[in-house]
Amino acid sequence: GAGVSQSPRYKVAKRGQDVALRCDPISGHVSLFWYQQALGQGPEFLTYFQNEAQLDKSGLPSDRFFAERPEGSVSTLKIQRTQQEDSAVYLCASSFLAGGTTDTQYFGPGTRLTVL
Amino acid sequence: AQSVTQLGSHVSVSEGALVLLRCNYSSSVPPYLFWYVQYPNQGLQLLLKYTSAATLVKGINGFEAEFKKSETSFHLTKPSAHMSDAAEYFCAARSGAGSYQLTFGKGTKLSVIP
Repeated sequence: GAGVSQSPRYKVAKRGQDVALRCDPISGHVSLFWYQQALGQGPEFLTYFQNEAQLDKSGLPSDRFFAERPEGSVSTLKIQRTQQEDSAVYLCASSFLAGGTTDTQYFGPGTRLTVL
Repeated sequence: AQSVTQLGSHVSVSEGALVLLRCNYSSSVPPYLFWYVQYPNQGLQLLLKYTSAATLVKGINGFEAEFKKSETSFHLTKPSAHMSDAAEYFCAARSGAGSYQLTFGKGTKLSVIP
């Protein structure tokens, strides 16, 4: 595809349910990022992958959050036992080069998660 | 720690008027700076970026921004607003080489009045 795609675009979960959010980066992009954007706020960094290696997960808010990119392309962000405070838009971004450069991060449209 | 401040959560301008969106950063080292635009239900799109080459950076759709180290600012401007510029704008910073995560401001929603 031409850009970063994310699915589902919208997800409604009952509190306590597990959810899985998918990100398809631009083909060939080495770096993949997840961000969380709460209502009325800017995106906040969650985690970073360089190929299949998760080099930074310092932004994950709790151990209920888990991300993987097993083959260095598609990534999944999983949230276990969802809480109302997890309601946000989850953005995925990818860039061609490894992190630490001025390479542009290309963002997907996001998944809007609502926890009831 | 890096922080980015955007003054004004909401800015309204008349069509054809100057657009000025303010961004200040806090960093112990000169950062890389970015402006992104977000249209409703869409992802963030890069407008322009500062990478320590030229202090005046030109981007897409007629936008430009000037890096001023003495003021720790990177304000976004456009000489003449168009209705299609109505969107939310985010300033972001990355703390130089070896750092990869972007730190975003809270965003400024731009409204353009016909």
